[in-house]
Amino acid sequence: SAVISQKPSRDICQRGTSLTIQCQVDSQVTMMFWYRQQPGQSLTLIATANQGSEATYESGFVIDKFPISRPNLTFSTLTVSNMSPEDSSIYLCSTRAGLDTGELFFGEGSRLTVL
Amino acid sequence: GDSVTQMEGPVTLSEEAFLTINCTYTATGYPSLFWYVQYPGEGLQLLLKATKADDKGSNKGFEATYRKETTSFHLEKGSVQVSDSAVYFCALSSNDYKLSFGAGTTVTVRA
Repeated sequence: SAVISQKPSRDICQRGTSLTIQCQVDSQVTMMFWYRQQPGQSLTLIATANQGSEATYESGFVIDKFPISRPNLTFSTLTVSNMSPEDSSIYLCSTRAGLDTGELFFGEGSRLTVL
Repeated sequence: GDSVTQMEGPVTLSEEAFLTINCTYTATGYPSLFWYVQYPGEGLQLLLKATKADDKGSNKGFEATYRKETTSFHLEKGSVQVSDSAVYFCALSSNDYKLSFGAGTTVTVRA
């Protein structure tokens, strides 16, 4: 199993600002995933982050709004840029349990509230 | 594309009651199926999984059977406890290993 730590666990942000969420895994992993969970909603995949290459974004998400870094095999960041109240969500970092499975391990999430 | 349809909540039960949460899916190929649970204030964690037809996943008294003929993966527990109060998500992954989640079902168990 993998233990995933996220920072911050929660934050209150002002409209128009940007916030970077950090994700640390206790082991080296190939792929890391960033999900968004809007209030009362299910999880939506934002992007897949591979070390040494550009992140792959899902439909409806763009790099200018959600830039992602993946500098090494244990760490990734997601920035939520130019925030609006609609960005108020829980953002979750995850990684796969193995190469040939869809099972994921998740961090505890970062709950952002945008005023 | 792949999708998961999950019974809407919220569901409120008394302790020791029987719990069923329905989940059906649409997918190409032969997906793996999962139930994840999110306890209050915590992150998602895997509850159980099944990787092929007729497999039964089980954990913490919960069970779900992969039914290919009905494209279903219903979650059941025979006697719930207050500590089972959580949000439950059905999910599937297909050939690309990406997870598609259902909408989640909030379960509240009262003493």
